Amino acid sequence: SQQGEEDPQALSIQEGENATMNCSYKTSINNLQWYRQNSGRGLVHLILIRSNEREKHSGRLRVTLDTSKKSSSLLITASRAADTASYFCATDAYGNNRLAFGKGNQVVVIP
Amino acid sequence: GAGVSQSPSNKVTEKGKDVELRCDPISGHTALYWYRQSLGQGLEFLIYFQGNSAPDKSGLPSDRFSAERTGGSVSTLTIQRTQQEDSAVYLCASSSRGRQAYEQYFGPGTRLTVT
Repeated sequence: SQQGEEDPQALSIQEGENATMNCSYKTSINNLQWYRQNSGRGLVHLILIRSNEREKHSGRLRVTLDTSKKSSSLLITASRAADTASYFCATDAYGNNRLAFGKGNQVVVIP
Repeated sequence: GAGVSQSPSNKVTEKGKDVELRCDPISGHTALYWYRQSLGQGLEFLIYFQGNSAPDKSGLPSDRFSAERTGGSVSTLTIQRTQQEDSAVYLCASSSRGRQAYEQYFGPGTRLTVT
């Protein structure tokens, strides 16, 4: 099975609200990363959290990692219309050199 | 250049033809990855290069797919005898880490349409 599986949801929120999306995975990991994709093209790296970290912040982003539950969440605070995109989590398992991506969460921020 | 570049940005080809997709990674990045994204799907790993060698080719879907990298820089993904199911966006990424995949920097992708 594919690692890095987001909750299969499309999220529609008002500008200024917070957006939360979740990701689960199946095997041990070295780190977990979140990427954003606009208009089905190139991905932009947002944040990386290592397996020995539980929470990480970057600007308006907050990522948590629970290795006992094999899950992660991404919170975008004070959302903006420009945050409209698909968000993917990706896991890097020990000994692998490739990322396993989930299917993504579509987030629409309404101005 | 500042980022990963890919060419062409779009490619339409007839079933049965061969295509070549090119990736120019960020200068100095030793690791290079190819992924494929079908409509509405997540990314599927194809192949990984460390320098010019490919220690992990396990994601290539069939022997019609091959890739090479020369000079530790440019990579070419070749699909022979294309099929309609090969239609997808092909994404290339590079990373400055070799043994472990840290942040990967993605190119804009090549949208391949097989008619």
